[in-house]
Amino acid sequence: SQTIHQWPATLVQPVGSPLSLECTVEGTSNPNLYWYRQAAGRGLQLLFYSVGIGQISSEVPQNLSASRPQDRQFILSSKKLLLSDSGFYLCALKPSSGASYNEQFFGPGTRLTVL
Amino acid sequence: AQSVTQLDSHVSVSEGTPVLLRCNYSSSYSPSLFWYVQHPNKGLQLLLKYTSAATLVKGINGFEAEFKKSETSFHLTKPSAHMSDAAEYFCVVSIYNQGGKLIFGQGTELSVKP
Repeated sequence: SQTIHQWPATLVQPVGSPLSLECTVEGTSNPNLYWYRQAAGRGLQLLFYSVGIGQISSEVPQNLSASRPQDRQFILSSKKLLLSDSGFYLCALKPSSGASYNEQFFGPGTRLTVL
Repeated sequence: AQSVTQLDSHVSVSEGTPVLLRCNYSSSYSPSLFWYVQHPNKGLQLLLKYTSAATLVKGINGFEAEFKKSETSFHLTKPSAHMSDAAEYFCVVSIYNQGGKLIFGQGTELSVKP
């Protein structure tokens, strides 16, 4: 079965500092990968998704970017953090085949606080 | 366009009583629908999914949901609430033909009183 790792689990960063959040997956090949943000008391907002290495689709204009340098690695970055970037960031995958191909599986999340 | 609306932002029940979390969807196509649960500061866990098979879907932890096309609803139920059910619940619809992207409802927070 697939496993999703995210790190760090929590992060406190000053405004204007850079950001790099990493997501790696195991137990699946060529999955679709997704980055979501969950602001306090709100639902999930899709930020980016990727259907393959080097292929990134952005859902909303923002201060963040994403990259997929390897099939099982998905990175969320920012050059300069804003206060509004605070939130709970979730990485998810959708298998490319199999009984669960239309499901998304979520990682444990990273809690980012920008001060 | 597809969308999903969770009708209650917060539901409070007593332990041992039934749970009903309401969800309505809008879709031009036959939708795939999901319920996810999120415990505090945790990722999301899939409770159950509907993908045009049986309209009554059974999930984990005693939860089930019924797809009603005529009412465009996919309400989540459980006969008897347990303290461990206290969490945030999300109703989700899959966007047709767009790489498996999901649209999330705003969530319903379930509280369970002893």
